[in-house]
Amino acid sequence: DADVTQTPRNRITKTGKRIMLECSQTKGHDRMYWYRQDPGLGLRLIYYSFDVKDINKGEISDGYSVSRQAQAKFSLSLESAIPNQTALYFCATSVGTGAYTQYFGPGTRLTVL
Amino acid sequence: GQQLNQSPQSMFIQEGEDVSMNCTSSSIFNTWLWYKQDPGEGPVLLIALYKAGELTSNGRLTAQFGITRKDSFLNISASIPSDVGIYFCAGPVSGGSNYKLTFGKGTLLTVNP
Repeated sequence: DADVTQTPRNRITKTGKRIMLECSQTKGHDRMYWYRQDPGLGLRLIYYSFDVKDINKGEISDGYSVSRQAQAKFSLSLESAIPNQTALYFCATSVGTGAYTQYFGPGTRLTVL
Repeated sequence: GQQLNQSPQSMFIQEGEDVSMNCTSSSIFNTWLWYKQDPGEGPVLLIALYKAGELTSNGRLTAQFGITRKDSFLNISASIPSDVGIYFCAGPVSGGSNYKLTFGKGTLLTVNP
């Protein structure tokens, strides 16, 4: 089984709808991240969390919110989706102390019409 | 902020050819990570580099941590069709204590059989 899972894998929605993307991990890592990928722009950090009580904004957090429900779960919400939020979204985890390596989920392809 | 510049942006090569790509920055990094993203999947770590001048191999892949600590190189020897994908370099954001990574925009590799 995959260590980092994301649901759904694909989602099509309409402008103005509220959307939640979910991420679960079985790696036992404390740190979790949400990224957005657009063609030619690489990976950009939306939010990150170092533990259940710690949430931090990344470089492009406007229009997004997150919830760390448990060590293993980190959800990303789009309160009112807009077309320019159409992108690939990735969740990642890392051990944290002493290690920078991040492990990615398979991604969610979101289309906002 | 710290930026990683990857080149080339894309490469079209014949099976069996060797590939070279690089990542540069105006800032010093103390860790370099190379990831590969297969089509439709999340990035997977290929090689991690921790010391200036370090040369590390993973099968047909070899990566080097530049002596200036401002660049890194990835080489693929005798390319095969499954090498197709996007290759990203990444390094810890300045300070490093928050365990955030900054990513290059990627090199898209296409291998013609």
